[in-house]
Formats: sequence, C-alpha cells, structure tokens
Amino acid sequence: DADVTQTPRNRITKTGKRIMLECSQTKGHDRMYWYRQDPGLGLRLIYYSFDVKDINKGEISDGYSVSRQAQAKFSLSLESAIPNQTALYFCATSDPGWGRISTDTQYFGPGTRLTVL
Amino acid sequence: KNEVEQSPQNLTAQEGEFITINCSYSVGISALHWLQQHPGGGIVSLFMLSSGKKKHGRLIATINIQEKHSSLHITASHPRDSAVYICAVRGNYGQNFVFGPGTRLSVLP
Repeated sequence: DADVTQTPRNRITKTGKRIMLECSQTKGHDRMYWYRQDPGLGLRLIYYSFDVKDINKGEISDGYSVSRQAQAKFSLSLESAIPNQTALYFCATSDPGWGRISTDTQYFGPGTRLTVL
Repeated sequence: KNEVEQSPQNLTAQEGEFITINCSYSVGISALHWLQQHPGGGIVSLFMLSSGKKKHGRLIATINIQEKHSSLHITASHPRDSAVYICAVRGNYGQNFVFGPGTRLSVLP
C-alpha cells in the first residue's frame, strides 16, 4: 500500500465551486505539504504544516486553505475554484531527521489532476 | 530570492549513453534534492545531498557547494530511465525546498 495517498486522483469542476483535496499518510511524519505543478514550472508550495497545530502559508497560498485534522491527514480546499487553478496537485510528507543532519527527504503522493472549467 | 535552474530542458538519448543533467542555484544551501517524476506523474526521491557525491545503482549525484552546482549522471541509460528529473534546494535560512523546472529525459531503444 502507498505511504502517501491522495483523493480524488482526478477532478473536473466548474468555476465558483468549492473543492477539497485530501491527503493521508502512514509514514508517521509530522511534516506535510501541498504543492501545485504547472507545465514548464517547478513545483510551488501552497501550504505546509510541521505538526497538527502548525499551519503556514507557502509561496502561492491565495485562493487556497488547508486543514490538518490529524498527524496523518492534511486537506487542501479551493473555496471558489477558478480556471487558473487548473493544475496537478501533490501532497508530500517529510521527516526532519532529529539528531543528525536534517534531510527532510520529501515523499510525494500520486497527485490529483484538477481541471476547473 | 533563491532561483533554481536546470539544463538541458529536454534531452533525448540512445540506450546505453551516459547522461548528465545539471542544476544550478543562486544562494547558499543546506540541502539539495534530486527527484524523478515518472510519465504517469508520480514523484520519487533519488538523492539528498549536502556535499560531495552519492551513488545508487546507475545513478550518481554530485554537488559543488562553491560553484552552486549539482549534476545527476545516469550510466548505461535505459528506456525505463525516461522521466522528468527535478532538482530542489533548501537555502541555509529556509525551511522549505525551492524546485527547478525539471529536465525531461527520453531514452530511445
């Protein structure tokens, strides 16, 4: 079974609709992230959370919100979807590696392809 | 602002060729991450580097901190190596990684 799962894997919606993308992990990591990927651009950070009570904005948080329901679950919401939010969305987790040089290797979910019409 | 560049943008090789993908960045870093994105979209970690060189199978990653440059080499390339290779760096004072645009590799049989 995959360590990081995302639902749904594909979603087509209309402008103005509220959308929630969900991420679950079984790796036991405290750190979780939401990224979006657009053609020709690198992954860009939307939000991140270093533990259940910690939520931080990333580079492109406008138009998005998140909820960290538990260590294992991190959800991304688009309150009112717009066409330029059409992208591939990835959830990731990491372990900072306490007691040694921090690695923070990122473990990615399979991605959610979102299309906003 | 930390910028990450990769070259080439696209690369086509014949099976068996030696491949080099380059990554350059603009600020001091604490870690550099090489990742592979499969044609289906999934992303997996290949290496995490802070200095020197790492090897795993046919893959070798090197980093030159002074020159702010890293290379990913693939020896004896195979069609299954076809993927997008992504470089990401974390600055000395940053908490998160900044990702390059990726290099799309196609290895032809």
